[in-house]
Amino acid sequence: QVQLVESGGGVVQTGRSLTLSCVASGFTFSSHGMHWVRQAPGKGLEGVAIIWSDGSKKYHADSVKGRFTISRDNSKNTLSLQMNSLRVEDTALYYCVRESLTGGYMDVWGKGTTVTVSS
Amino acid sequence: DIQMTQSPSTLSASIGDRVIITCRANQNIATWLAWYQQKPGKAPKLLIYQASTLEDGVPSRFSGSGSGTEFTLTISGLQPDDFATYYCQHYNPYPYTFGQGTKLEI
Repeated sequence: QVQLVESGGGVVQTGRSLTLSCVASGFTFSSHGMHWVRQAPGKGLEGVAIIWSDGSKKYHADSVKGRFTISRDNSKNTLSLQMNSLRVEDTALYYCVRESLTGGYMDVWGKGTTVTVSS
Repeated sequence: DIQMTQSPSTLSASIGDRVIITCRANQNIATWLAWYQQKPGKAPKLLIYQASTLEDGVPSRFSGSGSGTEFTLTISGLQPDDFATYYCQHYNPYPYTFGQGTKLEI
């Protein structure tokens, strides 16, 4: 079945780095744009980054621009998020999300991986 | 960036009620709008896209309407499983942004 499984979350101190990974299965990964969406504790959803299906384009939210980098390896069905210079406000549940083939809406979500940044 | 504003933030309702959640965009987004449902401890689930198209498997008591800057999500005949938080999201152009959420409670 279609599945996205995130990993790599954990507890880190401010200023440190962390890399999140997402392994996709059950669909043609290389055909879909992919997103990272985060949710701070008790808060709403925030789009973090998007990468085109072939990796040719990437966009990052202003809140993470210059610190986070989204990437993908279509040969390994894997999406990544390199997070540098982490801040307390980056503490959140990070979801790996598939973009539909017919538009920008998000039709498959992983269960998420938790990142906690402590001072 | 386009801003999405949902109302109300919290909605109290009872089983069998018909409820309406509103989402407004501060720019014209045509029908580039999706609705998601999120239950506590779970990932969001796509309900509606293109403002009014029901995702496969979503019960027909859910419906969406609107275009331009004003959109609604209607749930007709609330079921116990519907008590959750609902988010709207525009998806053209990037950056896609979400509304702040509407918590539907008993």
